[in-house]
Amino acid sequence: DTEVTQTPKHLVMGMTNKKSLKCEQHMGHRAMYWYKQKAKKPPELMFVYSYEKLSINESVPSRFSPECPNSSLLNLHLHALQPEDSALYLCASSHFRRGSSTDTQYFGPGTRLTVL
Amino acid sequence: AQSVTQPDIHITVSEGASLELRCNYSYGATPYLFWYVQSPGQGLQLLLKYFSGDTLVQGIKGFEAEFKRSQSSFNLRKPSVHWSDAAEYFCAVGPPSGGSYIPTFGRGTSLIVHP
Repeated sequence: DTEVTQTPKHLVMGMTNKKSLKCEQHMGHRAMYWYKQKAKKPPELMFVYSYEKLSINESVPSRFSPECPNSSLLNLHLHALQPEDSALYLCASSHFRRGSSTDTQYFGPGTRLTVL
Repeated sequence: AQSVTQPDIHITVSEGASLELRCNYSYGATPYLFWYVQSPGQGLQLLLKYFSGDTLVQGIKGFEAEFKRSQSSFNLRKPSVHWSDAAEYFCAVGPPSGGSYIPTFGRGTSLIVHP
């Protein structure tokens, strides 16, 4: 099974709201990723967790707050977002190889976020 | 650092015609290579990958890709396109060792299929 699930599928929020995106995988992957994707563009890396620890933060604004409560779950907490944050948010997971070699990323279906 | 180029922003083909999507990479050694497909509003689905071995790689949905070291290319092919193949296609490259394990994505090629 190579499934990554994400909830919710769609989210509309105001600029003062607090919401969370959720991602789950049961492939035993120890690397999990958040990407932001605008229309007709490639995914942009936001955060990477390896072994439940934040290993990469691509200078993302603090209104995005990631959390990895266990090896299967990844959350993205949202607060005081701006309209330009509207995008497709993708979660991915992969094996984490010692020696820093790439492994195959498996993506979830994404959450379509609209900020009003 | 690795980089990947998809020279074609859009490709238009007729249903039943053959398809080739181009991908060129820049890396000091042989990288790991991936092709993903994304239908509108969906996540990225892995079509195929190359790590080592046979340079002609078979993937899902009837796609194949050929790794050509001399041309630094990993082009995606399909002999007969179906209307359902209309989507965005992303090539990605990642280091096999000793560097950032995060793959780099190309800008994508949008495939349009005419009936």
